[in-house]
Amino acid sequence: DAGVTQSPTHLIKTRGQQVTLRCSPISGHKSVSWYQQVLGQGPQFIFQYYEKEERGRGNFPDRFSARQFPNYSSELNVNALLLGDSALYLCASSLAKGLAASSYEQYFGPGTRLTVT
Amino acid sequence: DQQVKQNSPSLSVQEGRISILNCDYTNSMFDYFLWYKKYPAEGPTFLISISSIKDKNEDGRFTVFLNKSAKHLSLHIVPSQPGDSAVYFCAASSLGQGAQKLVFGQGTRLTINP
Repeated sequence: DAGVTQSPTHLIKTRGQQVTLRCSPISGHKSVSWYQQVLGQGPQFIFQYYEKEERGRGNFPDRFSARQFPNYSSELNVNALLLGDSALYLCASSLAKGLAASSYEQYFGPGTRLTVT
Repeated sequence: DQQVKQNSPSLSVQEGRISILNCDYTNSMFDYFLWYKKYPAEGPTFLISISSIKDKNEDGRFTVFLNKSAKHLSLHIVPSQPGDSAVYFCAASSLGQGAQKLVFGQGTRLTINP
């Protein structure tokens, strides 16, 4: 079974540019979450989408936006890039259905390494 | 405000011995806890989880213990193997609050020595 996939693997952008990162969840998973991981820290929550609706948003500026498509894939957009946006961007999917806590376990993709110069 | 803390940045253990990784949390609303393992250039891999209604969950060589009164959880790996060398993150969530947001600790780098 295919796991969570993300594209591109690596990306180099210049300050002020815009970037779009893509994620395909595990088949059957309807929830997609995005996280940012900077070096030496744990991942930080950016967004969660479930059934194409935003369910939660972390403490990130409005330059960050996301959406989920009918096939449950998702895009993360970042506008007006800053040097501090350089990080590993992780996408995670989960079933997020029913009452079993195990359905809320999140499975991560390999990430997109974004470098802003 | 670090709600989930892993106070040991690194841990070195002899192959075959027990590895114990610790995690503390401050938010009493957390009711689900997970451990992830991360190799360089890869995303975190889910290892094991525990609900707040339990105090222990076991899966093969991995056991997670939860002490709610102390707001502390630990991951035991026994016996430790060289392939266990990685960065380990604990994460916490509040399932009843809509978004399944995971709050992560800073990670502990585990090195298993032959």
